[in-house]
Amino acid sequence: QKEVEQDPGPLSVPEGAIVSLNCTYSNSAFQYFMWYRQYSRKGPELLMYTYSSGNKEDGRFTAQVDKSSKYISLFIRDSQPSDSATYLCAMNTNAGGTSYGKLTFGQGTILTVHP
Amino acid sequence: NAGVTQTPKFQVLKTGQSMTLQCAQDMNHNSMYWYRQDPGMGLRLIYYSASEGTTDKGEVPNGYNVSRLNKREFSLRLESAAPSQTSVYFCASSETAAGNTIYFGEGSWLTVV
Repeated sequence: QKEVEQDPGPLSVPEGAIVSLNCTYSNSAFQYFMWYRQYSRKGPELLMYTYSSGNKEDGRFTAQVDKSSKYISLFIRDSQPSDSATYLCAMNTNAGGTSYGKLTFGQGTILTVHP
Repeated sequence: NAGVTQTPKFQVLKTGQSMTLQCAQDMNHNSMYWYRQDPGMGLRLIYYSASEGTTDKGEVPNGYNVSRLNKREFSLRLESAAPSQTSVYFCASSETAAGNTIYFGEGSWLTVV
């Protein structure tokens, strides 16, 4: 079983829809949770970063972490065609030392927002 | 401000050939990383360098070597390329070894035939 599971999709929605992207994980030591967006033929870019449980909002994007269920989500409101990309969740422990910086990624969800 | 720059962007190798992927960052970051990305596998860490002068193995280090040349540069070497190393390679950096805000380069597409 992979440490981080993410539905690869693809997910296709109409413009203006609310999008929900999700990841589950098995390692209870994960403390830091990130969402990356990756356009075709480009490197991943950091979208959201949260620590421990709770919600964080940035414009049309909301990241949600539920550590008790080992479940994280990214919500995109009023989705736009420019949001079409692959979305990757990533996680990190707070173990210190050499564990820092060793992100564990989900497989990525391909999202298409059509006009 | 270029961020993280990788070269080459595309490369085709024959089995057994060697090559080095170059990476440089201009953000004065201490930590640097090499990841590979394969369909259905997500991004997997090959090697990382928490700070200048140190390197450590990641999840999939076999068949690779790295050199942290200075604070800016971190290279990845394939000594004897194999078809299983066909992948997209990403260099990344972060300000500290906490590494929770990692910035990626544009990627290097490598095909081994």
